[in-house]
Order: sequence, then C-alpha cells, then structure tokens
Amino acid sequence: AQTVTQSQPEMSVQEAETVTLSCTYDTSESDYYLFWYKQPPSRQMILVIRQEAYKQQNATENRFSVNFQKAAKSFSLKISDSQLGDAAMYFCEGVNRDDKIIFGKGTRLHILP
Amino acid sequence: DAGVTQSPTHLIKTRGQHVTLRCSPISGHKSVSWYQQVLGQGPQFIFQYYEKEERGRGNFPDRFSARQFPNYSSELNVNALLLGDSALYLCASSQGQARTNEKLFFGSGTQLSVL
Repeated sequence: AQTVTQSQPEMSVQEAETVTLSCTYDTSESDYYLFWYKQPPSRQMILVIRQEAYKQQNATENRFSVNFQKAAKSFSLKISDSQLGDAAMYFCEGVNRDDKIIFGKGTRLHILP
Repeated sequence: DAGVTQSPTHLIKTRGQHVTLRCSPISGHKSVSWYQQVLGQGPQFIFQYYEKEERGRGNFPDRFSARQFPNYSSELNVNALLLGDSALYLCASSQGQARTNEKLFFGSGTQLSVL
C-alpha cells in the first residue's frame, strides 16, 4: 500500500518570501513518480512540478523546486519569491509503476501582501 | 486551442437518481481520466480511458462506469446516487497512456450535489 501525507493543512507566507510545503510518500516500491499540483479557486488542477524517484537531481521549474529525500520519503515543494497568484491549494501526488495514483489531502497556501 | 471542457459545471440530483457527466479532452489527446474530489480532500482516481478502452480503475463501486467515444470525449455515469457521491468530479486529458510519463491537463470540474 502507498500513502501520501501532507501534514500542513494551511500555511501563510509574506509576498516575495520563500515557503516550503511538506509531503511524505510512503511506498515499498523503489520506482515511482511524484507530482505537485496547484488548485486555485477556479478548481482547475495545474501541474507545478514532477520528480522521478530514480533521479537524484531535484526538479526545478522557475520559482518552484523540490527537495526529494528518498530515504526519508520526503518530497517538499519550495516556492521562492512568492506572488499573490501563488495562493491556492497545493496537492502532492504519488504514482507508482503500475499507474496506481494517490493524492494527499492538500495544503492551503495564503500569500500575505 | 480549447482546454479540457466539462459539462455541466454544476448539477443537483436526489438520492437514487442517475447522473451523466461529460468531458472533452484537448484536441489530439487520446487519454481521459476521471477523479472524484470530496470537499476538503485530495482527488481520488476513478477511471482512465485510452483509445476507447479502460486502462485503469480506482477503488469505486460498480455504480460508477465510464466510456470513451471515437472522438476521445468521455462520459462518467453514476447510478443509484448516494449522499456521499456529492463531490467535484474532475476530468483530465493527456496525449498518451502512461500516467507517469504524461503531463495531465485538467478541466474545471463538475460540482455534483446529491440531496
């Protein structure tokens, strides 16, 4: 069985500051993929960043980067230079080789002007 | 190009009724997936269809069914509605089948309320 845990229901960050959202993905498999999605009030899920478990290098997409610690089962998302448009729900997702999919419960991110 | 479109955007049904939700993928995308998102939770995977065949199924009862048409649009059907079926139903499309290699594009969902 696999589980995804997002332990922070809500977080706040000052505009232009950096924030880190936590996620742990527990699985017995060695090969899997991890994703972070953003869900703004429009409800449309938007892919933020993707990480393959077999890659040691952490993924980066502009202001978004991950800190993937495989042994610790940790997959945190760092948002640098936070902008008002970053305010949304953020979901962590794990997908194993058999395409078995599981999402975390989400973290609501508030950006303070 | 239009994104993933879902209809209707909102729907109210009563217990025991049947509902059909519709999804049109991005042009050129052959895979459609359905997710249920209960308030306060993350999405739960229901089905994936690729090239008109079911390629994946989540842990949902047989009251849930889906199909994909030759134009790659899809319908999600739910029979004998229960109060617990109230949720946002999200559709996502991608070019290929493999979930791990593909970027998913989501629609804005259908909000279903069962009274």
